[in-house]
Amino acid sequence: QSALTQPASVSGSPGQSITISCTGTSSDVGSYNLVSWYQQLPGKAPKLIIYEVNKRPSGVFDRFSASKSGNTASLTISGLQAEDEADYYCCSYAGSSTYYVFGTGTKVTFL
Amino acid sequence: EVQLLESGGGLVQPGGSLSLSCVASGFTFSSYAMTWVRQAPGKGLEWVSAISGSGGDTYYTNSVKGRFSLYRDNSKNTLNLQMNSLRAEDTAVYYCAREGSWWELPIWGQGTLVAVSS
Repeated sequence: QSALTQPASVSGSPGQSITISCTGTSSDVGSYNLVSWYQQLPGKAPKLIIYEVNKRPSGVFDRFSASKSGNTASLTISGLQAEDEADYYCCSYAGSSTYYVFGTGTKVTFL
Repeated sequence: EVQLLESGGGLVQPGGSLSLSCVASGFTFSSYAMTWVRQAPGKGLEWVSAISGSGGDTYYTNSVKGRFSLYRDNSKNTLNLQMNSLRAEDTAVYYCAREGSWWELPIWGQGTLVAVSS
């Protein structure tokens, strides 16, 4: 099972909006509304920021939003802030044989 | 407080074995499926293995099938990953994580480093 495809890096200015894409296949992203997104700061464990395609856990800022169309999921960060500089990973459930597939990861940096 | 604490990582020679443990606290352990995710140095996240709440069902990524075994002791709130025939490519930080109702991973441990090298 191949990893979901994400851009290696996305840059933005403070206050700007950026979008990270996550492209899978009809066996994972396209088949299940079970896409989640994780933020990982350097040296830290990943933190869940989106689940079930577009739901935010309590405590996650509403600057983070997400959606899915076909085999591609997307994460949007609105009003980019300094603390948003991190690595972001998408993840999809892919059935009982493959279970989870993670994305390749995207580093978000300021311009 | 909901918490996961991994242990057991270390340096091991190729072909060797290592057992990782993850102790859970702050929630009813047996009610949740659990997962291991690893991250090689400077690389992305990779799912490794998962187990149902009862321990009756286990799942493995292809690269570790036949080498890794995942089991749990619900009486001790402990998850164990037995890793045999280790390879250099198994070198990574290994995280245990609790699964949610929609296959999300809301709770993660701090990770434990496994280094396979001669």
